[in-house]
Amino acid sequence: QKEVEQDPGPLSVPEGAIVSLNCTYSNSAFQYFMWYRQYSRKGPELLMYTYSSGNKEDGRFTAQVDKSSKYISLFIRDSQPSDSATYLCAMKDSGAGSYQLTFGKGTKLSVIP
Amino acid sequence: DVKVTQSSRYLVKRTGEKVFLECVQDMDHENMFWYRQDPGLGLRLIYFSYDVKMKEKGDIPEGYSVSREKKERFSLILESASTNQTSMYLCASSPQVHEQYFGPGTRLTVT
Repeated sequence: QKEVEQDPGPLSVPEGAIVSLNCTYSNSAFQYFMWYRQYSRKGPELLMYTYSSGNKEDGRFTAQVDKSSKYISLFIRDSQPSDSATYLCAMKDSGAGSYQLTFGKGTKLSVIP
Repeated sequence: DVKVTQSSRYLVKRTGEKVFLECVQDMDHENMFWYRQDPGLGLRLIYFSYDVKMKEKGDIPEGYSVSREKKERFSLILESASTNQTSMYLCASSPQVHEQYFGPGTRLTVT
């Protein structure tokens, strides 16, 4: 079983829709949960990160972590064509000597005007 | 704003050549990383460094080496380039491992 599973899409939605992107994971030691956005031919950029469980909101973006279900989500409200990108989830345990992130393979999102 | 720069956006090399990919960050970050990104395989960690002159292997270090002589610079070296090393190479730096800032990437083609 892969450590992090993410539906590759592609996901196509009309402008203004609410988008839900998700990842599941198997390693219960993960404590940091990140979402990165990657535009075509660019490097990923960090959107948000959450430590442990709960929700975090930043403008139109909300990150949600459910550790009991080993499931994380990113919601995008009022989606815009500029949100069209690949979204990568990433996770890390809290070990002091732990330097590696475990990435999902990304979901490609297209927001149609 | 954090800035991570990579020496080339596109690079074409021949099989057997020694290839150097340079990465520079301007935020005094301790940690730096090299990944490769391939369709269907996602991001895979090649090497990382948590201090000057310190380096650790990631998931796929075979065929690669790294150098970190100064804090701001982390180099990836392909000792003898092969066609299966054709890929997008991404460098990242971070003050804390979960908060990584990526460069624009180098698309390397080995023919």
